[in-house]
Amino acid sequence: AQSVTQLDSQVPVFEEAPVELRCNYSSSVSVYLFWYVQYPNQGLQLLLKYLSGSTLVESINGFEAEFNKSQTSFHLRKPSVHISDTAEYFCAVSGFTGGGNKLTFGTGTQLKVEL
Amino acid sequence: NAGVMQNPRHLVRRRGQEARLRCSPMKGHSHVYWYRQLPEEGLKFMVYLQKENIIDESGMPKERFSAEFPKEGPSILRIQQVVRGDSAAYFCASSPGQGYSTEAFFGQGTRLTVV
Repeated sequence: AQSVTQLDSQVPVFEEAPVELRCNYSSSVSVYLFWYVQYPNQGLQLLLKYLSGSTLVESINGFEAEFNKSQTSFHLRKPSVHISDTAEYFCAVSGFTGGGNKLTFGTGTQLKVEL
Repeated sequence: NAGVMQNPRHLVRRRGQEARLRCSPMKGHSHVYWYRQLPEEGLKFMVYLQKENIIDESGMPKERFSAEFPKEGPSILRIQQVVRGDSAAYFCASSPGQGYSTEAFFGQGTRLTVV
């Protein structure tokens, strides 16, 4: 079985400040890791993913996440946030469970960027 | 290339009625996943289908819920005799294959309200 824990349900931050959204996972098999972003009343958009190789992955809009196998973590960071980053962020895992690309999601972190 | 299309976007049903949610995957995608998002929760996997086959329905409630993905036409998630607890956002995702690293693309969801 797999599980994902996002400890912070809400993270308020001022614009241009750095932010870290935490994600820890549990799995008995090797996993792939994802961060999705959801804007109000929208579907999920893939932000970035870790499949293999370099443990640091980056998105086109300045977010990055680092896979840490020993700590079973995949925290999301951005050095300077913008108002437009306000959204809900979901960490997810998929793995070799026979379920295709079935994803197990965390409960989400609401990032609120304030002026 | 149109994205994953879900309709309707909003659906209101009275208790005891049936709800039918439709999902048209991206062109060339033959794998479909349904997820449910309850208020203040993350997405929960419901079912994974390929054309004309249910591959994994481990997340589907045992009663009243069914899903299909016919050879022609969209995938359908059907909820019979809806109850208030079925009120949620239902998301569909599609992928071109079953490789575990294959990205799944999400639709904008159907928001079901049971009154």
